[in-house]
Amino acid sequence: DQQVKQNSPSLSVQEGRISILNCDYTNSMFDYFLWYKKYPAEGPTFLISISSIKDKNEDGRFTVFLNKSAKHLSLHIVPSQPGDSAVYFCAASAPGGGADGLTFGKGTHLIIQP
Amino acid sequence: NAGVTQTPKFRILKIGQSMTLQCTQDMNHNYMYWYRQDPGMGLKLIYYSVGAGITDKGEVPNGYNVSRSTTEDFPLRLELAAPSQTSVYFCASSYSGGLGTEAFFGQGTRLTVV
Repeated sequence: DQQVKQNSPSLSVQEGRISILNCDYTNSMFDYFLWYKKYPAEGPTFLISISSIKDKNEDGRFTVFLNKSAKHLSLHIVPSQPGDSAVYFCAASAPGGGADGLTFGKGTHLIIQP
Repeated sequence: NAGVTQTPKFRILKIGQSMTLQCTQDMNHNYMYWYRQDPGMGLKLIYYSVGAGITDKGEVPNGYNVSRSTTEDFPLRLELAAPSQTSVYFCASSYSGGLGTEAFFGQGTRLTVV
């Protein structure tokens, strides 16, 4: 039973356009959400996060939106750049913190076309 | 600034062999984690530790053991390797498990059991 779902295995976007990556979750106890970026043969690196008490968090070209009622979050990248081509993982943690780890989605492979 | 270091990067094991995946971090983080990532899947938590001398099972602990004798090191032991343990293994650490704390990942160990 997947608690964090990324239903698009891949996404292709033209350079300069907006990339929107989606994530749905089923566990209403999740209260903190993170996005990680992963290049081939490297470990995931933290990108941006959002607490459940917020509905938006922005960091440069990256914005994460959270819709708690729909149990949905999205990552917006604008403008998209070639270096953004990577696998993006959505992750969530429940109260008590991440002491018992994060629950990850399967990832979305973002391809930025020149 | 080394961060989280995993060794080896690659390993091929025969069925029934044993090995230890090494993980060390130099950030003085209390929390450490072992994840595995199977092809096309998200990361799944194997074991975690909230401090030296304390370990606990994650989602998929069977076939693995861990120890945490120091803050820096968190080795993962496979006693009787099986083909189902073919995966990429990631070690991670975080300052705390509390809200807002992202985890830092190592580069991964690609293990093949034949």
